[in-house]
Amino acid sequence: QSALTQPASVSGSPGQSITISCTGTSSDVGGYNYVSWYQQHPGKAPKLMIYEVSNRPSGVSNRFSGSKSGNTASLTISGLQAEDEADYYCSSYTSSTYVFGTGTKVTVL
Amino acid sequence: EVQLVESGGGLIQPGGSLRLSCAASGFTVSSSYMSWVRQAPGKGLEWVSVIYSGGSTYYADSVKGRFAISRDNSKNTLYLQMNSLRGEDTAVYYCARGYNLLPGYWGQGTLVTVSS
Repeated sequence: QSALTQPASVSGSPGQSITISCTGTSSDVGGYNYVSWYQQHPGKAPKLMIYEVSNRPSGVSNRFSGSKSGNTASLTISGLQAEDEADYYCSSYTSSTYVFGTGTKVTVL
Repeated sequence: EVQLVESGGGLIQPGGSLRLSCAASGFTVSSSYMSWVRQAPGKGLEWVSVIYSGGSTYYADSVKGRFAISRDNSKNTLYLQMNSLRGEDTAVYYCARGYNLLPGYWGQGTLVTVSS
């Protein structure tokens, strides 16, 4: 049950696009299309942004998109806005259990 | 509207026990995948446990044998019984309802502090 690997921080200017990677193994990210992404602002509960690799729940901006290639999933935020500054976590299903990523702090310059 | 409200956190001495509750509304706990996820101060999210709609339960290695997840269908409530608590169990504990399997709807969390 090792955590998925994410970059510690990613930054970008307003209006730019950024991509956060989430690297696992063939036992988790690479083995299932059950990868979710969460946004967490300080002191708040996580919020689901992407589920099943690339699907957005109702109400989530279409500026957020997800994809997967092999053992690595990615979250792209386009048209970066100040309100996107937060921590982001990926998560994957892995044989009846779940695993989270190490987390990425997104800074809007 | 889906709502999850955790309770039961607090200060507990090492080796002690605590039971967390998660009262649900807007859906049926027994028909859902329900998880506990924790977050140590200043750290990332860590999955703790899941109970599937069929009743199967699974745990992270870090809590296996010490924690037990359960539900009370009549109260539509999820529980986490935590025994033999350690300092490293100090965290905000969130309950979450599955959204197409993985956690999707989250409660506001309850803080557990293990310290003498």
